[in-house]
Amino acid sequence: QKEVEQNSGPLSVPEGAIASLNCTYSDRVSQSFFWYRQYSGKSPELIMSIYSNGDKEDGRFTAQLNKASQYVSLLIRDSQPSDSATYLCAAFSGGYNKLIFGAGTRLAVHP
Amino acid sequence: SAVISQKPSRDICQRGTSLTIQCQVDSQVTMMFWYRQQPGQSLTLIATANQGSEATYESGFVIDKFPISRPNLTFSTLTVSNMSPEDSSIYLCSARVTSGTSTDTQYFGPGTRLTVL
Repeated sequence: QKEVEQNSGPLSVPEGAIASLNCTYSDRVSQSFFWYRQYSGKSPELIMSIYSNGDKEDGRFTAQLNKASQYVSLLIRDSQPSDSATYLCAAFSGGYNKLIFGAGTRLAVHP
Repeated sequence: SAVISQKPSRDICQRGTSLTIQCQVDSQVTMMFWYRQQPGQSLTLIATANQGSEATYESGFVIDKFPISRPNLTFSTLTVSNMSPEDSSIYLCSARVTSGTSTDTQYFGPGTRLTVL
């Protein structure tokens, strides 16, 4: 099993809907998780981090961590075409020595 | 947070040559990293750039091919040596901002897009 796994998508949602992005992880990663957004041709931009079980909200974004089931989710409410990007789930591995990434999920928000 | 700049932003090189990429962070950071992102792929860690000592390379990456320097806490270079078309990729510098082990966050530079002919 890979340390961090994501469905590569694409995930297509209509404008105004909730986009739900999911990520599962193995026992080999530490309990710190990050969501990055990457627009085409740009570098990754940190949008959310989560360390504790439960939900963490920041504007239209909500990160959810379920340690028992080993998954992390990112919900985007009121999706906009400008949210169309690849979303990368990341976690620390090797203790906190390195940050590793899932394959990324491509999100397309259509008008 | 940390603001990271990289030079060059892009380059086209001939096979067999070498390119050195520079990374500058706007504040002192304990950890810097170099990643590669091949077309359509996610990020792969090349190495951790250690200040004052040799870099720590990930499996599949070696110092002869990707020598790294880190002379101080704000600057690092990555050299891609003896390039082949397979080295065509985006190379990303990253810096970790530490505020306690459970709240470290990592930021990325704008990347260097390398094309090898």
